[in-house]
Amino acid sequence: AQSVTQLDSHVSVSEGTPVLLRCNYSSSYSPSLFWYVQHPNKGLQLLLKYTSAATLVKGINGFEAEFKKSETSFHLTKPSAHMSDAAEYFCVVSDPASGTYKYIFGTGTRLKVLA
Amino acid sequence: KAGVTQTPRYLIKTRGQQVTLSCSPISGHRSVSWYQQTPGQGLQFLFEYFSETQRNKGNFPGRFSGRQFSNSRSEMNVSTLELGDSALYLCASRSGTSSYEQYFGPGTRLTVT
Repeated sequence: AQSVTQLDSHVSVSEGTPVLLRCNYSSSYSPSLFWYVQHPNKGLQLLLKYTSAATLVKGINGFEAEFKKSETSFHLTKPSAHMSDAAEYFCVVSDPASGTYKYIFGTGTRLKVLA
Repeated sequence: KAGVTQTPRYLIKTRGQQVTLSCSPISGHRSVSWYQQTPGQGLQFLFEYFSETQRNKGNFPGRFSGRQFSNSRSEMNVSTLELGDSALYLCASRSGTSSYEQYFGPGTRLTVT
């Protein structure tokens, strides 16, 4: 069975400092992994995806994530936080090889950026 | 390309009523999935449709149903509404070929009173 654990429900950083949002996954197959961002009262926007190509994945708005199979992790990072990064972030796993494209979501990490 | 659109954006219904939500996927996308988002349960998969066929269904009661039309537009129906059905309902589309990523609409906020 697939599952995703986001290790922090809330993260606070100062503007201009690095961001680290942690995600661990469990999957029986070769997973596809995604990070999405949700701003208040909005839908989900895809930040980046891992689908068994390069393990270091670059996304939009300066975000990147590294797939580490040995640690079953897919942490999201950004070198320098901006006020506009304040939002909720979701780590997602999908296992198309298992016959389904459905997403399994983590519980989310709310990022707060302090001026 | 236009993104995923959902109508209506907001809806207030009374317990016991039924509701239909609509989703138009990105042009050319053949797969539509539906998710429910609540503060208590987070984001949960409802069902996926591909070329008018339901491919997968999540762990929701039979009151939740959906369909997809030949133009890939999808509708979701909830009958006999309960207070606990109050949620943000998100629709996502996928091209349906070898791409795995889904693109989400802005959601329909359903409030059941």
